[in-house]
Amino acid sequence: ETGVTQSPTHLIKTRGQQVTLRCSSQSGHNTVSWYQQALGQGPQFIFQYYREEENGRGNFPPRFSGLQFPNYSSELNVNALELDDSALYLCASSWLAGGNTGELFFGEGSRLTVL
Amino acid sequence: LAKTTQPISMDSYEGQEVNITCSHNNIATNDYITWYQQFPSQGPRFIIQGYKTKVTNEVASLFIPADRKSSTLSLPRVSLSDTAVYYCLVGGRNKLTFGGGTRVLVKP
Repeated sequence: ETGVTQSPTHLIKTRGQQVTLRCSSQSGHNTVSWYQQALGQGPQFIFQYYREEENGRGNFPPRFSGLQFPNYSSELNVNALELDDSALYLCASSWLAGGNTGELFFGEGSRLTVL
Repeated sequence: LAKTTQPISMDSYEGQEVNITCSHNNIATNDYITWYQQFPSQGPRFIIQGYKTKVTNEVASLFIPADRKSSTLSLPRVSLSDTAVYYCLVGGRNKLTFGGGTRVLVKP
């Protein structure tokens, strides 16, 4: 049990729609990162938030956006959904100190299906 | 972002040692190397992290050569419950790259 919770666990959307996924970080952590994991592949880094500011981003277009709130909960928003956005979306919280994000504590993920 | 490469799969037997190597040729000076285990329908779980040389904890060892262009996760005496996908992760402060994962099947 990592203490990181994600919601919803499953959802279905259609192309062009927008989706918001939520994550509640482990208590005391100052960093949250989001990942997209397609079936049979490794997680792909979307972005990371540190103290409510985005401080790192992977190769994802601007229609992937996020927020981190003062209580260290976080949201991932995806606009104009495409079929290829179907995946498991993972949230991870950690304590960023110096140059190392440290151990990532993952939630169970939100499985998004785009029809 | 660093590029990482791992073998797709490997089989082993209970009680054997399993070694998984990850290649990360363009690792940056500030990047750390971390390994995770993932079971179906679960998020990845931390195994071990290192920067250089050798690190050991209660479940695994991590070997990193001087040039840091690869790393090897060693799982001693695996059991059936170690059947999972294992990922190497390379990154530092704000850029993180997972490998494609190695599916390890432990047979009785």
